[in-house]
Amino acid sequence: DSGVTQTPKHLITATGQRVTLRCSPRSGDLSVYWYQQSLDQGLQFLIQYYNGEERAKGNILERFSAQQFPDLHSELNLSSLELGDSALYFCASSVAAGVAYNEQFFGPGTRLTVL
Amino acid sequence: GESVGLHLPTLSVQEGDNSIINCAYSNSASDYFIWYKQESGKGPQFIIDIRSNMDKRQGQRVTVLLNKTVKHLSLQIAATQPGDSAVYFCAENIEGNFNKFYFGSGTKLNVKP
Repeated sequence: DSGVTQTPKHLITATGQRVTLRCSPRSGDLSVYWYQQSLDQGLQFLIQYYNGEERAKGNILERFSAQQFPDLHSELNLSSLELGDSALYFCASSVAAGVAYNEQFFGPGTRLTVL
Repeated sequence: GESVGLHLPTLSVQEGDNSIINCAYSNSASDYFIWYKQESGKGPQFIIDIRSNMDKRQGQRVTVLLNKTVKHLSLQIAATQPGDSAVYFCAENIEGNFNKFYFGSGTKLNVKP
């Protein structure tokens, strides 16, 4: 158990809908990362927050957004869902974010299925 | 448990043998690399890392080799155990950033008892 929790574990929804995925980082970690793992593209970095502020951005679609709250939990919002958004979404957390690597601890993921 | 379902290359080894998993990375400017292990139903787990100023790094039963000339990484697992069965993938940092990584597609390691 990494100490990172994600809810829900599974989510099934329809095209065009909007969903929110939630992540609670390990106790003491200030940085949260979101990743998408799909069948055809492997693991892709989406976005990172550090202490409430966006720190780094990857290949995140405009239909997707995230935020980190004062209690450090984070939410990933996916809107206007398409079939191709079906994937595993992972959250990871680390102590800090900076000029050196801080080990990222991954949660168990949320499996999103868009029908 | 959950599985990604990617059509991954598979390496099958006998328990007790050594395993070598290879990865080709894409950007010659990448200066930091990580190997991850992902078991079925779980998120990726850090195994070992290496910086570009090194060509070899050893951990407990694992060794990572880096060949910058051909942009190639390998992960060697000594005395492979059934618990090593998982998908392994490498990651390289993007634009020198320690918060952004590009991940390879992975290799599935199957350890036969």
